Amino acid sequence: SQTIHQWPATLVQPVGSPLSLECTVEGTSNPNLYWYRQAAGRGLQLLFYSVGIGQISSEVPQNLSASRPQDRQFILSSKKLLLSDSGFYLCAWSPSRNIQYFGAGTRLSVL
Amino acid sequence: KNQVEQSPQSLIILEGKNCTLQCNYTVSPFSNLRWYKQDTGRGPVSLTIMTFSENTKSNGRYTATLDADTKQSSLHITASQLSDSASYICVVSGVFSGGYNKLIFGAGTRLAVHP
Repeated sequence: SQTIHQWPATLVQPVGSPLSLECTVEGTSNPNLYWYRQAAGRGLQLLFYSVGIGQISSEVPQNLSASRPQDRQFILSSKKLLLSDSGFYLCAWSPSRNIQYFGAGTRLSVL
Repeated sequence: KNQVEQSPQSLIILEGKNCTLQCNYTVSPFSNLRWYKQDTGRGPVSLTIMTFSENTKSNGRYTATLDADTKQSSLHITASQLSDSASYICVVSGVFSGGYNKLIFGAGTRLAVHP
């Protein structure tokens, strides 16, 4: 069966520090991968999606970047975090157009 | 503009009671509509998914309806349980340029079931 792992679960970082969130999928190959951010009381906002290794599409200009070094690995990064980067970050994978499966999420607090 | 609006924003009901959550959307072109349940601090979990040709879809005590003409959907929860306390998110999918299937998320309805 397929599983998605996302870590860390929570993270507290100072402003200006770098960020690296990792997401891996097991049990499938060539999945579509997604990074979302969920602000309090708001809907999920798509940040990046990837249809293959090295293929990254950005939905919203951000202080963030994404990379896909391996087929089942998706990384969300920042060189210098801003206060506004605080939020709940979710990784998701999709075997098709019809459904997405979400990771457990990472709660990021930038202080 | 592609949007998904959910109401109410929050809801409190007593255990055992029924409730209905609403979702209105303006996403076009429309591919499908999903309802997700998100427990606090966790990722969303899919409850139902419907295409434009489906009017209703059930998953246990959860029943979703879709009216593609009026672009409205509802999620009905029957005989609520304490474990139903969560946020319920309406997500509409549309196929956009390049064939990419984009999801538009509602802000969610936060449901609290009290004993």
